[in-house]
Amino acid sequence: QSALTQPASVSGSPGQSITISCTGTSGDIGGYNYVSWYQQYPGKAPKLLICGVNNRPSGVSNRFSGSKSGNTASLTISGLQADDEGNYYCASFTSRRTLVFGGGTKLTVL
Amino acid sequence: EVYLVESGGTLVQPGGSLRLSCAASGFGFSNYHMDWVRQAPGKGLEWLSYITSGSTDTYYADSVKDRFTVFRDNANNFLFLQMNSLRPEDTAVYYCARDGMRGYDMDYWGQGTLVTVSS
Repeated sequence: QSALTQPASVSGSPGQSITISCTGTSGDIGGYNYVSWYQQYPGKAPKLLICGVNNRPSGVSNRFSGSKSGNTASLTISGLQADDEGNYYCASFTSRRTLVFGGGTKLTVL
Repeated sequence: EVYLVESGGTLVQPGGSLRLSCAASGFGFSNYHMDWVRQAPGKGLEWLSYITSGSTDTYYADSVKDRFTVFRDNANNFLFLQMNSLRPEDTAVYYCARDGMRGYDMDYWGQGTLVTVSS
């Protein structure tokens, strides 16, 4: 199972909005509404930000939103803040009943 | 509060075996599916395995299939990962994670345990 494709890095200034893309195939992202997004700080465990394509778990800021179109999912962070800087990963359920992660995107807040 | 605490990580020689444990507390462990995920040094996340709440089904990534086995003890709230035929490329921090009720996402994670495979 090949990893989902994410940009290696994105950047933005405080207050701006950024979008991270995550591209898969019809056998994963395109075929199921089981896309999730995770935030990870260096040396820490990942934290769930978005589940089921566009649902925020309790306690997650509404500045984080998810969407999907075809084989590509997206995470948008609005009102960028300094503590948003970190690594972001997408994941999807697959037709083989496995999960697959994206390669990760490093977000830099300028 | 939900707690997941992994243990068992250590230095092991190539070809060796190791069993990781994950102690769960603060939720009805037997009602939740569980996952193992790893992260090699400086690399991204890699999903490894999934076990249903009642152990009826298990699934594995191709990279560990036939070498790793996931199982659980619902009576004592433990999740395990038996790792055999270890290779240097298995060196990573190993996380256990709870599967969310919506399905196929991981809503709580442990702090991870480091496995180093080296001679």
